Amino acid sequence: NAGVTQTPKFQVLKTGQSMTLQCAQDMNHNSMYWYRQDPGMGLRLIYYSASEGTTDKGEVPNGYNVSRLNKREFSLRLESAAPSQTSVYFCASSEKTGEAYEQYFGPGTRLTVT
Amino acid sequence: AQSVSQHNHHVILSEAASLELGCNYSYGGTVNLFWYVQYPGQHLQLLLKYFSGDPLVKGIKGFEAEFIKSKFSFNLRKPSVQWSDTAEYFCASSQSYQKVTFGTGTKLQVIP
Repeated sequence: NAGVTQTPKFQVLKTGQSMTLQCAQDMNHNSMYWYRQDPGMGLRLIYYSASEGTTDKGEVPNGYNVSRLNKREFSLRLESAAPSQTSVYFCASSEKTGEAYEQYFGPGTRLTVT
Repeated sequence: AQSVSQHNHHVILSEAASLELGCNYSYGGTVNLFWYVQYPGQHLQLLLKYFSGDPLVKGIKGFEAEFIKSKFSFNLRKPSVQWSDTAEYFCASSQSYQKVTFGTGTKLQVIP
């Protein structure tokens, strides 16, 4: 049981390049999330997917697109990377059990855009 | 929109000192509250959560938090910190299952 996995762990891009960050979970969770973490700003939600086939914008969606490929996988795409997108990106998943829930996080992708 | 405030950005303590990290949330209705920890180089892990019932919540590794509705607060406490508690701590709140709002984090450095 690997939990939430992300690839790659590190990536350096030049301005204008594109790339896709991959995320997969093996906990059979319905909901998945993409966050970015920047110093002094905590975690900010980029996009989330409540269930397979649905996606919604979070707090900072501009410059990103997502695909919920199936229940397990949720990818984040940067079409034209900008230095402002230098950040650590975390994928998370969650499931509601009764009234309770919590988010399980992946190990993160450290992205640098030069 | 919800917001979560963590007043201390960086805390330095000696081992065995007591810890209290402040957290205030903005929403006045039913809210679920969390504390997450991020050890250096690792991903976020849940320390504890509050949904209902006893406002004093106990989590892993000796941490606890108290929900005080009248003060919109959910402060994290530990009676005696260890060097291994060095990490960044995030408070979070949620009104609904789908959206969790995180605070900006508090970096705790414990000196041996």
